[in-house]
Amino acid sequence: KNQVEQSPQSLIILEGKNCTLQCNYTVSPFSNLRWYKQDTGRGPVSLTIMTFSENTKSNGRYTATLDADTKQSSLHITASQLSDSASYICVVSGAAGNKLTFGGGTRVLVKP
Amino acid sequence: DAMVIQNPRYQVTQFGKPVTLSCSQTLNHNVMYWYQQKSSQAPKLLFHYYDKDFNNEADTPDNFQSRRPNTSFCFLDIRSPGLGDAAMYLCATSRDSGYTFGSGTRLTVV
Repeated sequence: KNQVEQSPQSLIILEGKNCTLQCNYTVSPFSNLRWYKQDTGRGPVSLTIMTFSENTKSNGRYTATLDADTKQSSLHITASQLSDSASYICVVSGAAGNKLTFGGGTRVLVKP
Repeated sequence: DAMVIQNPRYQVTQFGKPVTLSCSQTLNHNVMYWYQQKSSQAPKLLFHYYDKDFNNEADTPDNFQSRRPNTSFCFLDIRSPGLGDAAMYLCATSRDSGYTFGSGTRLTVV
């Protein structure tokens, strides 16, 4: 069964600090992995998308890594800001069409 | 800017009263999706259109229907909303590896 597991479920960090979110998946065959940021009451916004051959991708203070061998990904947030408070969702796309498998998300709260 | 637009942002409907949510896109994506997302849960796919072909998820209740009159527009019809249908409804579009979500419509059932 295709699954995406994220950890931790929630995270509190102080403004300016770094944090790393984890994503493990069992989706097969694999097409790509995406990280989304979802503010409360809004739709998900894409941060990064990585295919099998990509190990790392950055978008400003967000850096995603992918290890396709171990089926693990991480999202690193550098120098966190209050506006980073949101849910971060790991989403994996299988090769069959564009159906996505969603992780449960990590809820990040940045405190001043 | 090319985007996925959902209207309205907030919708309040009465128990049992039919309601329609709309989604439009300027991305010329051939696939459009409707997701239901309840509080603190991952989005759940209801159905999607691949061009004009409608694909219903096996566990989507019959209460939910969809229409796609053209490439740009897609509608979600809830025939008889129940209290359990209160949720955020997300529209998404895709073409190849591009995948874009709308801002969602939050549905309240009273």
